[in-house]
This record gives sequence, C-alpha cells and structure tokens, in this order.
Amino acid sequence: AQTVTQSQPEMSVQEAETVTLSCTYDTSESDYYLFWYKQPPSRQMILVIRQEAYKQQNATENRFSVNFQKAAKSFSLKISDSQLGDAAMYFCAYRSGRSQKLVFGQGTRLTINP
Amino acid sequence: KAGVTQTPRYLIKTRGQQVTLSCSPISGHRSVSWYQQTPGQGLQFLFEYFSETQRNKGNFPGRFSGRQFSNSRSEMNVSTLELGDSALYLCASSLDPQANYGYTFGSGTRLTVV
Repeated sequence: AQTVTQSQPEMSVQEAETVTLSCTYDTSESDYYLFWYKQPPSRQMILVIRQEAYKQQNATENRFSVNFQKAAKSFSLKISDSQLGDAAMYFCAYRSGRSQKLVFGQGTRLTINP
Repeated sequence: KAGVTQTPRYLIKTRGQQVTLSCSPISGHRSVSWYQQTPGQGLQFLFEYFSETQRNKGNFPGRFSGRQFSNSRSEMNVSTLELGDSALYLCASSLDPQANYGYTFGSGTRLTVV
C-alpha cells in the first residue's frame, strides 16, 4: 500500500521569506500523481499544485513550486515570498494512476510571522 | 460557479443513531469522493462514485455507505453511530473522470457523536 510521510508537523516562517515543506512517499508504481493541498481554518481543502510522475520538469504555480525527486520519492513544496494568507495546514497527497483514491500525509501546520 | 456544497455544516448525533450527509458537486462534475478527517487518523478515503457507480471503497466498516444520484449529488450514510465516528467529513468532486487534475473539495460536515 502506498504511504505518504510529512516529517514536519509544524513550520514557521517570517513574512516575505521562503519556506520548504517536505514530503516523501512510498510506492512501487510508475504511474501516479502528486498533489499539495492547503487547508485553512475554513476547512476547505484547496489544491495548491500538482505533479505528474512521468514529467521530469518540476511544477510551478506563481509563488509555489515543487522539487520532485522521483528516484528518492520526495516531493517538497517551496513557498516563496510568504504571505499571511499562506498560513494553513498543508497536505501532501498521492494518487495512483489506477485509482481515484487520494492518500494523504499527516499534514504540516504552517505559521507565517508578520 | 458554485463550488462543492456540503450540508449540513455541523451535526450532533447520539451513539446508536444513523446520519446522512449530503454533497452537491460542481455542476458538470461526475466523480465524487468522500474522506473522513480526524486528528488521530488524518484524512482517510471512504469511497468514490462516478456516474452513480461506486468505483473505489476505503477500509471502513459496512456501517459506512454511500450513493450517487443521476444528477451527481451524493450522500453518505453512517448507521449505528459510534463515538469514534466523530470527524470532519469532506466531499470532493472532479470534472475529469480520472481526477488527474485533482479534486475540488467542499468545506465539510463536522459530525459530533455524543
């Protein structure tokens, strides 16, 4: 069974600085997708960024980018120019190419200090 | 465009009772998934429906069931409630049947069992 591990339960960063959230996963499959979701206090999970395993190029969405290391099974999220609105729980998620099920990590609570 | 709508937002039930939660996906989305979120177990997959058919099911007891209607709205039912069923139940929908682009989540139903 696939597993996703987020080793940092909590992280904090100064506003306008850069922070990297770690995620590792375990799978024997070659076809899969990886996601980062953000969950603010409103409870709604918001998709931040996605990565297809077959793509070598790291995904980027504005201030958010990933470092996808397929051989190491690592999928870290970098947030540049951190803003107060980035404060939330961040979840890394894995989806097999053969299933619609998302497997989530335990989450990292990100605090932004003004 | 309306997002994923879950009703009710909050619910308090007594042990032994049953409960039905509702999810209206984004218009046009035919894939609907349900997740249970608890502090101890994190986010766990319950089931996924596409065009009224259950395609995937998580490792939950038979007390947890769901269905999808022809208009893609989905309901999940939990019978014989236990204290451990207290959780945030999240619904997510996808336009893409394979959910390669991720899911859009609702704000969840907070169920408290007393």
